[in-house]
Amino acid sequence: NAGVTQTPKFQVLKTGQSMTLQCAQDMNHNSMYWYRQDPGMGLRLIYYSASEGTTDKGEVPNGYNVSRLNKREFSLRLESAAPSQTSVYFCASRQPLSPFGRGSIRTPNTEAFFGQGTRLTVV
Amino acid sequence: RKEVEQDPGPFNVPEGATVAFNCTYSNSASQSFFWYRQDCRKEPKLLMSVYSSGNEDGRFTAQLNRASQYISLLIRDSKLSDSATYLCVVKPGNTPLVFGKGTRLSVIA
Repeated sequence: NAGVTQTPKFQVLKTGQSMTLQCAQDMNHNSMYWYRQDPGMGLRLIYYSASEGTTDKGEVPNGYNVSRLNKREFSLRLESAAPSQTSVYFCASRQPLSPFGRGSIRTPNTEAFFGQGTRLTVV
Repeated sequence: RKEVEQDPGPFNVPEGATVAFNCTYSNSASQSFFWYRQDCRKEPKLLMSVYSSGNEDGRFTAQLNRASQYISLLIRDSKLSDSATYLCVVKPGNTPLVFGKGTRLSVIA
């Protein structure tokens, strides 16, 4: 029962190094997301992919790139890591409601499922 | 005004107490509302969705007031295991989920 799987769980980078965070989900969800979480700042959206083949910037996209490789996988790349990118990164996926699902008071609001996070330190 | 604002916390309460968290959101077009729970050094997990008519799940009750753009979470008979950070989450239309910064709860024996 994997859900959303992120790798690696921990990483230390030197300033200027590059790396890719991997994320895969096995729930056949259309939408996938990358967030970062910093003390006192809450979860902030970096990039998201509403469906396979599309990606969009979130609140804090600078210094990152993403690739929606297929429906299952959504990777986050740091081309030249900076100390300001030290954070905990979470990948999430969600299945948006179909048009027929909207408008009902008791229609379940589809939840987002998160990976276990990647703790990244840039020194 | 931030999109989703929550009580700053932390809330330190004794076991058995009733505690209420409040949340306000700025986008009146928001359609979906949730409370997530996040344990220390873990990922956020859905606690409960929030429906227009209000809903209850055991000791947890969620309320939504669309006119005031206000969401609440009530926890009755607090347990030590309820200690966590509670995140208010809003979905404004066709855009991604927006998370509040969270309110930390510590239940003390």
